[in-house]
Amino acid sequence: DSGVTQTPKHLITATGQRVTLRCSPRSGDLSVYWYQQSLDQGLQFLIQYYNGEERAKGNILERFSAQQFPDLHSELNLSSLELGDSALYFCASSVWAWSGYTFGSGTRLTVV
Amino acid sequence: ELKVEQNPLFLSMQEGKNYTIYCNYSTTSDRLYWYRQDPGKSLESLFVLLSNGAVKQEGRLMASLDTKARLSTLHITAAVHDLSATYFCAVDNNNNDMRFGAGTRLTVKP
Repeated sequence: DSGVTQTPKHLITATGQRVTLRCSPRSGDLSVYWYQQSLDQGLQFLIQYYNGEERAKGNILERFSAQQFPDLHSELNLSSLELGDSALYFCASSVWAWSGYTFGSGTRLTVV
Repeated sequence: ELKVEQNPLFLSMQEGKNYTIYCNYSTTSDRLYWYRQDPGKSLESLFVLLSNGAVKQEGRLMASLDTKARLSTLHITAAVHDLSATYFCAVDNNNNDMRFGAGTRLTVKP
């Protein structure tokens, strides 16, 4: 157990639907990062939050949004889902930017 | 934009052999990370390299960083089957995030 908790582990949903992925960072970590892993795109950085504030954005689609709550857990919202959104979504956390990230076990999203 | 390239992307090795995975990146950075991923699993941190010339070793794996050449290597010594996995390098992107290479899928055969 890495200390980063992601739920759910698996999610199957239909095109056009909306889902929410949840992440609880490791105790003491203020930064949360979201990554998407797919076979054709590899690991793509989506967005970073630090202590409740958005810090950096990567290749995140407008249909996707995220937030970090006062208790530091984070949620990634994916809407108007398309088949191509099927992927593993990882959350990671860190205490300092240079210390490296600890990854959660991921949420496998399948859009049918 | 920071680009990270790994090679080879696929590597099939015999047990007991040595090999090196290379990671090149396009912009200045002093921080580089290596991760291991088993199929369907999460990413496990292997090494954190934070300065030019940094060298870290753990078991049969050794990682090094040359920031001037923008190059890191992951050297595998006397490979064993348990090392079969996908290895990723990742480079710090100005403290905002890490950019990952495409990964090297390593298969160690008996």
